[in-house]
Amino acid sequence: QSALTQPASVSGSPGQSITISCTGTSSDVGSFDYVSWYQQHPGKVPKLIIFDVNGRPSGVSNRFSGSKSGNTASLTISGLQADDEADYYCISYASSDTGVFGGGTKLTVL
Amino acid sequence: QVQLVQSGPEVKKPGASVKVSCKTSGYTFTGFYLHWVRQAPGQGLEWMGWINPNSGGSHFAQRFQGWVTMTSDKSMRTAFMEVSSLKSDDTAVYYCARTSRGSLPDFDYWGQGTLVTVSS
Repeated sequence: QSALTQPASVSGSPGQSITISCTGTSSDVGSFDYVSWYQQHPGKVPKLIIFDVNGRPSGVSNRFSGSKSGNTASLTISGLQADDEADYYCISYASSDTGVFGGGTKLTVL
Repeated sequence: QVQLVQSGPEVKKPGASVKVSCKTSGYTFTGFYLHWVRQAPGQGLEWMGWINPNSGGSHFAQRFQGWVTMTSDKSMRTAFMEVSSLKSDDTAVYYCARTSRGSLPDFDYWGQGTLVTVSS
């Protein structure tokens, strides 16, 4: 199972919106609506911010939203804030009852 | 409150084995699968596999089959992950994480991570 493809880095200014893509195959993202996104600050444990493509756990800001089209899932962060600067990872449920992460995207808030 | 507390850092020589524990509290141990994820220094997250603490059944990413073992002990409310035949590129922080939805990848609580260093 190959890792999902994410851009290595994205950037945006405070208040702007950014989108991070996560591209898989018909064996994972394209076949299942079970894509989650995690935010990880340096030296910290990952935090779940999106599940089931566009579900938001209790307590997560509505500035975070998810979507999917075909084999590509996307995370959008609106109204960028300084604290959004972190690494973001997607993970998809895949055939054979496994999971596969994306390579991660470093978000820089300018 | 829900807690997943992992064992401390380990330093191992190539070819050795390491066993990491994940002690849970604050929830029904048998009601949640535990997944294991690792992160090499400066690298991304890698999904390894899961264990169902209720049945003891487990499932791994293909690349870990045959040299990673996952077990659990209901009386201790603890899950274990053992990696054998360690190589230098197994140096990583190993995390346990729970989900209420079996093999689905939405992990609401994570352990603090265990650094395993493989060095001669």
